[in-house]
Amino acid sequence: DGGITQSPKYLFRKEGQNVTLSCEQNLNHDAMYWYRQDPGQGLRLIYYSQIVNDFQKGDIAEGYSVSREKKESFPLTVTSAQKNPTAFYLCASSITVQILSGNTIYFGEGSWLTVV
Amino acid sequence: DQQVKQNSPSLSVQEGRISILNCDYTNSMFDYFLWYKKYPAEGPTFLISISSIKDKNEDGRFTVFLNKSAKHLSLHIVPSQPGDSAVYFCAASAITYALNFGKGTSLLVTP
Repeated sequence: DGGITQSPKYLFRKEGQNVTLSCEQNLNHDAMYWYRQDPGQGLRLIYYSQIVNDFQKGDIAEGYSVSREKKESFPLTVTSAQKNPTAFYLCASSITVQILSGNTIYFGEGSWLTVV
Repeated sequence: DQQVKQNSPSLSVQEGRISILNCDYTNSMFDYFLWYKKYPAEGPTFLISISSIKDKNEDGRFTVFLNKSAKHLSLHIVPSQPGDSAVYFCAASAITYALNFGKGTSLLVTP
């Protein structure tokens, strides 16, 4: 089954701790993304990667870090520096970062992160 | 600064009627536009798209209209069904930008 797998689905973090969200895709896509959804805020881009060993900051990168050591994997670390990390996190991928006819973004099922 | 705007947070429509969801954008570099549908606690799924060289694209009950001069697009759903109740995100793309999303419009289709 081709798709994007995010884990865990639900995660609780104590204040001051780092936590890593996993994202794996078997679609052979070059581009991968992390978005955050908050109520009334829509989808905001945290980081994206156009290719292995490359990534760029999105609109709200502060307090987050990523790596792209393998084409299939794009883990997101929510660090203790992120002031308000409780949110729904979505990983996505596309053939390339240029979204045009024939190339759209596919999303995973999302991960809920709650800071306790 | 929000480059893609969905000014109606919610919309309620009766089953069988037309649903019209609106989207405005500010960046004239955007040349490809998409609509995504999202159910609670799930990832968004692609619904329909339109290139800037077109003004209309139709797929079954879903039609997207683009007015480039007004920097406005709309999604029409006819006829609306209860299963269409979801949050709809408008998104815009340019060659040098990652996809930009609006804040979403929550559609409720009532029986």
